[in-house]
Amino acid sequence: QKEVEQNSGPLSVPEGAIASLNCTYSDRGSQSFFWYRQYSGKSPELIMFIYSNGDKEDGRFTAQLNKASQYVSLLIRDSQPSDSATYLCAVRLAPGTYKYIFGTGTRLKVLA
Amino acid sequence: DAGVIQSPRHEVTEMGQEVTLRCKPISGHDYLFWYRQTMMRGLELLIYFNNNVPIDDSGMPEDRFSAKMPNASFSTLKIQPSEPRDSAVYFCASSHNSNQPQHFGDGTRLSIL
Repeated sequence: QKEVEQNSGPLSVPEGAIASLNCTYSDRGSQSFFWYRQYSGKSPELIMFIYSNGDKEDGRFTAQLNKASQYVSLLIRDSQPSDSATYLCAVRLAPGTYKYIFGTGTRLKVLA
Repeated sequence: DAGVIQSPRHEVTEMGQEVTLRCKPISGHDYLFWYRQTMMRGLELLIYFNNNVPIDDSGMPEDRFSAKMPNASFSTLKIQPSEPRDSAVYFCASSHNSNQPQHFGDGTRLSIL
């Protein structure tokens, strides 16, 4: 059973702080990694994706990938109350399949 | 650009009734995915299509569920007969190719009484 694990939270951070969201995955052959944000009652919205080891930055967001440790994280700098949402980690499995496995999400609360 | 369009947004029906959910993917996207989201199990892939052909339906819970994609711009997910445990939010997503991110529709919130 291919798994993607996330801490369900809630993770509470003060406004302006860095929020760090973590995800581990079990399939060592996984190729692509995605972070989605989902507001309550809304659909998942893509935040970032990363394919290679290392860091990828986009505005206030940084995705970090460590394939050796099977670990992917999302950092949100200068957190805002509007960042309060559930963050879903998604992993595309090894080549030959186009299935994504989603984690159950981490709920982030940014306190004003 | 129009995103993924799903209908209806909400559906409330009685146990035993047939339910049909509809999805129009983003134009030009070759892949279409149906997901179910519940509090207990999170977001689960039910089935996906490539160029209108079902590729993997291993996530379809049982024979009561069926999905079709008669053309590149339309797909349906049908539940017959429906049961209360089918209550969930059903999302449709599409992507341009296998390496591109999936884009989600607004979902259908289904309640089976």
